[in-house]
Amino acid sequence: GNSVTQMEGPVTLSEEAFLTINCTYTATGYPSLFWYVQYPGEGLQLLLKATKADDKGSNKGFEATYRKETTSFHLEKGSVQVSDSAVYFCALSKGIRAAGNKLTFGGGTRVLVKP
Amino acid sequence: EAQVTQNPRYLITVTGKKLTVTCSQNMNHEYMSWYRQDPGLGLRQIYYSMNVEVTDKGDVPEGYKVSRKEKRNFPLILESPSPNQTSLYFCASSPMDRGDYGYTFGSGTRLTVV
Repeated sequence: GNSVTQMEGPVTLSEEAFLTINCTYTATGYPSLFWYVQYPGEGLQLLLKATKADDKGSNKGFEATYRKETTSFHLEKGSVQVSDSAVYFCALSKGIRAAGNKLTFGGGTRVLVKP
Repeated sequence: EAQVTQNPRYLITVTGKKLTVTCSQNMNHEYMSWYRQDPGLGLRQIYYSMNVEVTDKGDVPEGYKVSRKEKRNFPLILESPSPNQTSLYFCASSPMDRGDYGYTFGSGTRLTVV
């Protein structure tokens, strides 16, 4: 079946440091890939997405590139802020026909940015 | 504002007392789903619905029921809650014809069963 593996946290960084969160997936075909962010006490918000190989999703200074050859979708940000402290989830969707539009999530990575 | 609304946000209940968590969306989405979030386990799908009167089990359906009588509403029912159902629950929705859309999530319901 489909699965998503992401690095375990917590990841602790200083402000303005470079952030990378690794995400790899297992799925047949060409899933859509997503990063969601969950701020403390809130629900999940879509951060960025990519729907085909070599696509780059970007938002709020975060980027991730869909790498079919390595089945990866690593999240990066060049200079983090304290406000980026959150839990980040990598997810995939095979779409309606393949899996009823189901999103499969990784375990989440908690990021803590210190001033 | 396009949103998914869950109620209540917090709930403490006792073992065996039936409860319902409501979920409503205003985006005319066909697809709705319930997830639970537990430490170290990420998000796991409980039930989903692809349209009115069409529901199906997700990965962890035991102990839960759902119904979809109207397009906008998708309540989660715990007929006899147990402590292992203590968790953070999220409702989500998406359009059915957009596999690349992802989901819009509600703000969550934190349930404690004692």
